[in-house]
Amino acid sequence: EVQLVESGGGLVQPGGSLRLSCAASGFTFSNSWMSWVRQAPGKGLEWVANIQGDGSDKNYVDSVKGRFTISRDNAKNSLYLQMSSLRAEDTAVYYCASQSYGRFDPWGQGTLVTVSS
Amino acid sequence: QTVVTQEPSFSVSPGGTVTLTCGLSSGSVSTSHYPSWYQQTPGQAPRTLIYSTNTRSSGVPDRFSGSILGNKAALTITGAQTDDESDYYCVVRVRAGFWVFGGGTKLTVL
Repeated sequence: EVQLVESGGGLVQPGGSLRLSCAASGFTFSNSWMSWVRQAPGKGLEWVANIQGDGSDKNYVDSVKGRFTISRDNAKNSLYLQMSSLRAEDTAVYYCASQSYGRFDPWGQGTLVTVSS
Repeated sequence: QTVVTQEPSFSVSPGGTVTLTCGLSSGSVSTSHYPSWYQQTPGQAPRTLIYSTNTRSSGVPDRFSGSILGNKAALTITGAQTDDESDYYCVVRVRAGFWVFGGGTKLTVL
């Protein structure tokens, strides 16, 4: 079964850091572009970052550039998002998703990040 | 900054046909933008409906179809059912490696 499972979300103070993880199974992870997509409470989806299968190419939405770092460990079939200098507007459910031919699929169930004092 | 536009809301009667659109603030959507469509109900992860403009994802009923209509990507639901009532999102590749989601359309079936 193709599956993505996120973890690492929680409550963090403004200016703090958090590392999200996404465990993949059921497909060839090392061949897949992977993305993080977030959704603020009551809002729409926002693409955050992606990374090529071998980790050689990474892209970020402007609002997180310089604060977030996407990475992967293909030996562990895992994707990560290191988030620092967190702001209230980063509060969201964060989903990981595999990308292929413009398709974001599968998706994980999401992990909630709350930035608040 | 490129903005992807969608109708904020739409209503359709059961059995009816509705077309949702996905446009670009900076020009036309084409197949080279690889538009895809997702359905989301509250509290759930998005579900892939259509990718690469018009390819239906596995298990998606054929009442869902994708196309380019004029200068926009389009999702058409033919014979809408009550459980199609959801939020629908499109996403397009604005340049190599960079993707932007539309604001979503809340579809009501009544």
